[in-house]
Amino acid sequence: TQLLEQSPQFLSIQEGENLTVYCNSSSVFSSLQWYRQEPGEGPVLLVTVVTGGEVKKLKRLTFQFGDARKDSSLHITAAQPGDTGLYLCAGEDIWANTGNQFYFGTGTSLTVIP
Amino acid sequence: DAGVTQSPTHLIKTRGQQVTLRCSPKSGHDTVSWYQQALGQGPQFIFQYYEEEERQRGNFPDRFSGHQFPNYSSELNVNALLLGDSALYLCASSRRLQGFNQPQHFGDGTRLSIL
Repeated sequence: TQLLEQSPQFLSIQEGENLTVYCNSSSVFSSLQWYRQEPGEGPVLLVTVVTGGEVKKLKRLTFQFGDARKDSSLHITAAQPGDTGLYLCAGEDIWANTGNQFYFGTGTSLTVIP
Repeated sequence: DAGVTQSPTHLIKTRGQQVTLRCSPKSGHDTVSWYQQALGQGPQFIFQYYEEEERQRGNFPDRFSGHQFPNYSSELNVNALLLGDSALYLCASSRRLQGFNQPQHFGDGTRLSIL
């Protein structure tokens, strides 16, 4: 079983602060995805990173894939209450062209206080 | 363009019963994956269907089975329900192209409660 550990597990910050969420594993992944999930809803894909060392930006969110493709980070600048939610990372493992499987992290619950 | 739809949204069963959950993929998608998400945890992969066949399976017992239909919709069946099967069951669809790394789109899930 390939495990992805996220830290911190819970985060409560004031509006306007910056934060970083980490996703770490001992396994190498073909790609890594970040999702945000709100209560009562399914996860919504934010970004997919594929190449080791890749950095992608989505407005105030910056995503980085580690050089060895084992870990990733999500940095949010000037957090807003709308950023509140459960952030999940998911590593993709491709099985010899028969299919693919995503291993999800434990999640980081973010609360941004107005 | 409808996204991934799942039914029912909520379900209450008792131990030992059987349940069937349904999923319609996003238009244009041909691959369906099922996940179990316990409260406070990340989703866990159950299995994936493509071309009406189970292609990949996670660490779940045989009580969990599935099916994919020619229109790409899918069902998840769970037999002999246990209290520990209480969870949010998520369906995700994607389009299989050459290679993978294709984005998954999730439905809002079925909340299953076992009494």
